[in-house]
Amino acid sequence: DAKTTQPNSMESNEEEPVHLPCNHSTISGTDYIHWYRQLPSQGPEYVIHGLTSNVNNRMASLAIAEDRKSSTLILHRATLRDAAVYYCILRDVWGNSKLTFGKGITLSVRP
Amino acid sequence: DSGVTQTPKHLITATGQRVTLRCSPRSGDLSVYWYQQSLDQGLQFLIQYYNGEERAKGNILERFSAQQFPDLHSELNLSSLELGDSALYFCASSPMGQGAGANVLTFGAGSRLTVL
Repeated sequence: DAKTTQPNSMESNEEEPVHLPCNHSTISGTDYIHWYRQLPSQGPEYVIHGLTSNVNNRMASLAIAEDRKSSTLILHRATLRDAAVYYCILRDVWGNSKLTFGKGITLSVRP
Repeated sequence: DSGVTQTPKHLITATGQRVTLRCSPRSGDLSVYWYQQSLDQGLQFLIQYYNGEERAKGNILERFSAQQFPDLHSELNLSSLELGDSALYFCASSPMGQGAGANVLTFGAGSRLTVL
């Protein structure tokens, strides 16, 4: 199974942009890149996903490297509410995601 | 409310006992996934069902079993419970239609199991 690696933690200041990296060097051509986040005491929630092109939605932007071996989740203006654990996973074309979410990146936001 | 319903929210039981966790997927979703989250661990994938059939298996112990019923709800059975089974158990669902790789996972709020 293709694997993702993320740093354990990152810190940001409120209202500043945050770039959360994810490496997936063994990604296959049909794997989608998904990002989820887990706020304290809640279940994970979907943030964004993409295949090859950069993606934007109301929550965040996803920048995918040209070789697709890495991606970056961009929070344009971090708020205190964005403090969470962010997970990057891959889903194959059949929708399988055997891959565990792992420990993700714990994002702290300073006021 | 994500649309994925998990019951019970909290469960306290003793070692050696057996419990059943229940999950109702979001309306229209055919696939159900179970995850375990312990205090110092990430989300560990346990098992996936699609339209009643087992689709993928992760790090699920032999003491654990699951099934998905014709109405698409799923149950995770945990038996001969040990202290180390204390964790949050999350259920997620997804549509699994064409282009399933793009289908997002919708998670429930989780069931917190405490084994004493």
